[in-house]
Parts: sequence; structure tokens; C-alpha cells
Amino acid sequence: TQLLEQSPQFLSIQEGENLTVYCNSSSVFSSLQWYRQEPGEGPVLLVTVVTGGEVKKLKRLTFQFGDARKDSSLHITAAQPGDTGLYLCAGGSNYKLTFGKGTLLTVNP
Amino acid sequence: DSGVTQTPKHLITATGQRVTLRCSPRSGDLSVYWYQQSLDQGLQFLIHYYNGEERAKGNILERFSAQQFPDLHSELNLSSLELGDSALYFCASRGGTNYNEQFFGPGTRLTVL
Repeated sequence: TQLLEQSPQFLSIQEGENLTVYCNSSSVFSSLQWYRQEPGEGPVLLVTVVTGGEVKKLKRLTFQFGDARKDSSLHITAAQPGDTGLYLCAGGSNYKLTFGKGTLLTVNP
Repeated sequence: DSGVTQTPKHLITATGQRVTLRCSPRSGDLSVYWYQQSLDQGLQFLIHYYNGEERAKGNILERFSAQQFPDLHSELNLSSLELGDSALYFCASRGGTNYNEQFFGPGTRLTVL
């Protein structure tokens, strides 16, 4: 069974701070997706990484896929209240996604 | 807007009842995935359909069933409902530049009283 562990589970910071959240697994994935979910809504795809060591940037968000394709990180620079939400990572393999339980981020003004 | 539609948005029913949740994938997508999300379990994969055929099953209870119709919309049927079935139910369709990318609908919040 493939499992993804995300840490921290909860994170509360002030506007303007930087943060990093982690997604770790003992399994190798062919791709890794990051999603952001707001309360009562569906997850929204942020990025897909597929190559070990790959780094992708989306404005103030930086995503990295581990060299062995087992782990990933999401770094947010100068967080804003609009970044508040549940960040989910999902490992892709054989047309199926395995989700972590997420990091609930709160950015206080 | 992901292009995936789900109805209804909210559903309140009683234990022992049966409900049907509906999903239409993005235009051009042939795959539909169903997920259940609860506070303690996170997002759990239930079942996957591709072009009308069941492709994979996850943690789906025997009381639950699904199908995908020729027009590619899908329905998830939940029967003999229990309090513990209260959750958010999402469908997703697969497409995009990577074959693992899934795009989620807005979900159906099911409350069983």
C-alpha cells in the first residue's frame, strides 16, 4: 500500500512569513501533484512534477520533487492571507492518485 | 472552474436511505474517479471508470456502487446509509498534460441524520 505523509499537519503563520511543507513516502511515484483546497470546495490542482530533482515555481510558490521521486516539498515565500487553505500532495502511479492527509495552512493578516 | 460538475451540492437524508450523486466530467475526458473525504480519513479513493468501464476499486463499501453512462456522466449510489457515511464526495476527471492529473468537481456534502 502506497502512503503519503504530510507535515506539518497544521501551520499558522503571520502574513509575510516564509514556510515549507513536506510530503514523504517510501514508494516511488511516476508523478506528484500538489492541490489546494478551500473549505467545502474541491481540490484545485497547483502543479505536477514528474522528474526527480525537478523544481517548479508558481509565483511565490516553489515545488520540488525529490531525486528518488519519493518525496516533495512546497515552499511559500511571503505568505498572504489568500494562501490559507488545505494543501494536499498526491502521488501518481498507474492512472491512480494516492493522497496525503494534507497540511492546513492559516495565514493571519 | 475545473469544468467538472456535480449535483446536488448538499444532501441531507436519514439512516437506511439511498441516494444518488451525479457527476459530469470535463469535456473530452473519458475517466471519472470518485472520492470520499472525511475529517479523520482524508481523501479516499472509491472507484474509477474509463469510457463506461470500471477500471479500479479502492476503499468502496459493498453498499456503494457506481456506473458511467454512454454520455460519460457518472452516478455514485449509496444505500443503507449510516451516520458514518456523512462526508464530502468528490468526483474528478483525468486529463491535462500528465496522465495522472485529475481535476475535481465542487463536491456533494452528504449528511446522514
